[in-house]
Amino acid sequence: GESVGLHLPTLSVQEGDNSIINCAYSNSASDYFIWYKQESGKGPQFIIDIRSNMDKRQGQRVTVLLNKTVKHLSLQIAATQPGDSAVYFCAENKDSWGKLQFGAGTQVVVTP
Amino acid sequence: GAGVSQSPRYKVAKRGRDVALRCDSISGHVTLYWYRQTLGQGSEVLTYSQSDAQRDKSGRPSGRFSAERPERSVSTLKIQRTEQGDSAVYLCASILVPTGGLYNEQFFGPGTRLTVL
Repeated sequence: GESVGLHLPTLSVQEGDNSIINCAYSNSASDYFIWYKQESGKGPQFIIDIRSNMDKRQGQRVTVLLNKTVKHLSLQIAATQPGDSAVYFCAENKDSWGKLQFGAGTQVVVTP
Repeated sequence: GAGVSQSPRYKVAKRGRDVALRCDSISGHVTLYWYRQTLGQGSEVLTYSQSDAQRDKSGRPSGRFSAERPERSVSTLKIQRTEQGDSAVYLCASILVPTGGLYNEQFFGPGTRLTVL
């Protein structure tokens, strides 16, 4: 069936380094993707989104890349900080009602 | 400012019992979603409703899940005859626009952790 999933369950990054979180999706009809950050005890928090007619979008310290050819999505975090430690989810918008399909998540651990 | 809140934050239920989880969305937000989040498996949408629909029964995985909208900014997720497999974190999310949520940011609550014994 259609699914959104992540390649790495845990990513350990040294403070100051760049982080790259990957996501594979299988629904070629999806045209909107979102990255969320979830800290312990909190709900998912929007980081950045991208539409399928784009291949790159930049925010503050974050960049999302979309490769529709191989159905791959990635989130790059520049100069990773301790506050970036969290679980990161990619999600695709399932339909016009906005229902989201999330992947399993990647735990990012920032070490000093 | 006030965001989306959920109550209770933790709920323990005996298998077979019904439970009700509450979500208070952001004032003015129209569409509410309920998701079930399972560790290592991601999240799936259970049900959703717009402001003019008090009840939505598009729940998954079965008709045991339903959402009611007693007030414009309040949604109650009801789970009937709970099963151990229902143990998960239940997230509520809302969006501002009334005509679907494509391309619009969803605001999530902190979730309710349900444990079914």
